[in-house]
Amino acid sequence: AQKVTQAQTEISVVEKEDVTLDCVYETRDTTYYLFWYKQPPSGELVFLIRRNSFDEQNEISGRYSWNFQKSTSSFNFTITASQVVDSAVYFCALSEEAAGNKLTFGGGTRVLVKP
Amino acid sequence: KAGVTQTPRYLIKTRGQQVTLSCSPISGHRSVSWYQQTPGQGLQFLFEYFSETQRNKGNFPGRFSGRQFSNSRSEMNVSTLELGDSALYLCASSLARAEQYFGPGTRLTVT
Repeated sequence: AQKVTQAQTEISVVEKEDVTLDCVYETRDTTYYLFWYKQPPSGELVFLIRRNSFDEQNEISGRYSWNFQKSTSSFNFTITASQVVDSAVYFCALSEEAAGNKLTFGGGTRVLVKP
Repeated sequence: KAGVTQTPRYLIKTRGQQVTLSCSPISGHRSVSWYQQTPGQGLQFLFEYFSETQRNKGNFPGRFSGRQFSNSRSEMNVSTLELGDSALYLCASSLARAEQYFGPGTRLTVT
């Protein structure tokens, strides 16, 4: 069965600090997809990134970067030079090839960036 | 391109009633999925529809049902509402096999 664990429930940082969110997943499928979503106070889930299981290349997008390591079943997310607008709940999610578009979410990590 | 829209945004119902929520996907998206979000259980998958067929279903009782129309719009229905059904219901749309884009959600309160 698929499972996603986000061990950090809440992280508080001061603006301009870097913050790394951990995500560990479990799956028996060899083909799967990993995602990160952001949920600001408004409630709408905002798509950030998708990675395929066969593409372990790390990715950087502006202040965001992702580190995918199949050997440790981890897909960590780093926000560099955090800003107050980064305050939100961040969810890691997994989708198995055999399960269509079903997303299994982790419990989420609340990030609070203080000015 | 317009995003995913959900109606209504807020709803208050009484135990035992039924409710229908609506979701309009992004134009061209044929897959629509529904999720329930509660403080206790987090985000849980309800079901996915693709080309009017239910492709996958989560572990929810039969009181939760859905359907998809030929224009890809989707509805979900909850019958015999219980207090525990109070939640944010999120709809997401995607192309056949791609990232999902979520709507703003419908916040259901059951009293």
